[in-house]
Amino acid sequence: DTEVTQTPKHLVMGMTNKKSLKCEQHMGHRAMYWYKQKAKKPPELMFVYSYEKLSINESVPSRFSPECPNSSLLNLHLHALQPEDSALYLCASSRLRTGGYEQYFGPGTRLTVT
Amino acid sequence: DQQVKQNSPSLSVQEGRISILNCDYTNSMFDYFLWYKKYPAEGPTFLISISSIKDKNEDGRFTVFLNKSAKHLSLHIVPSQPGDSAVYFCAASVEEGGSEKLVFGKGTKLTVNP
Repeated sequence: DTEVTQTPKHLVMGMTNKKSLKCEQHMGHRAMYWYKQKAKKPPELMFVYSYEKLSINESVPSRFSPECPNSSLLNLHLHALQPEDSALYLCASSRLRTGGYEQYFGPGTRLTVT
Repeated sequence: DQQVKQNSPSLSVQEGRISILNCDYTNSMFDYFLWYKKYPAEGPTFLISISSIKDKNEDGRFTVFLNKSAKHLSLHIVPSQPGDSAVYFCAASVEEGGSEKLVFGKGTKLTVNP
């Protein structure tokens, strides 16, 4: 089983709103990731959590705030976003295989900032 | 500087024939490579991976070849099917801050014609 779930599937928010994206996996994976993907571009890494601790922040603006309440859950809190933040937000988790880690992605949340 | 390069933005093949997608990398510290398939507005789907200690890995219709000396890998799909039409991303895994992160190529859009 390699399922990562994300809610909501779609989100429209104004620039003054506060909203949260949620990601969940029950595969026992100890690393979880947030990515942002614009159309016709590869996924762009935002944050990495390893054993529930933030290990990588790719210089993401503070209007994006990640949270890892437990090993199965990952949230991304959004506040005062800009229209250019509209994108597909992807969550992933990874498992160790022989030779390296494989990341499994959720279906994404399509975010539109108006 | 782009560390993972997919120089062909698009590829078109006939159903039943072989599809060959290519990827080059520059960082010799990369030790694990992955291929993902992506449909529009969905999360990437993991296809196949290969460790740098191997030169070939096969899974059904998908085979990945790695040429370390040339820093080149390729994904072969045979026989190609219309359902394989998607964007394919090559990714390389690298350790940073105690975590693994993926470096993606820009993707190749594959179209399999019936």
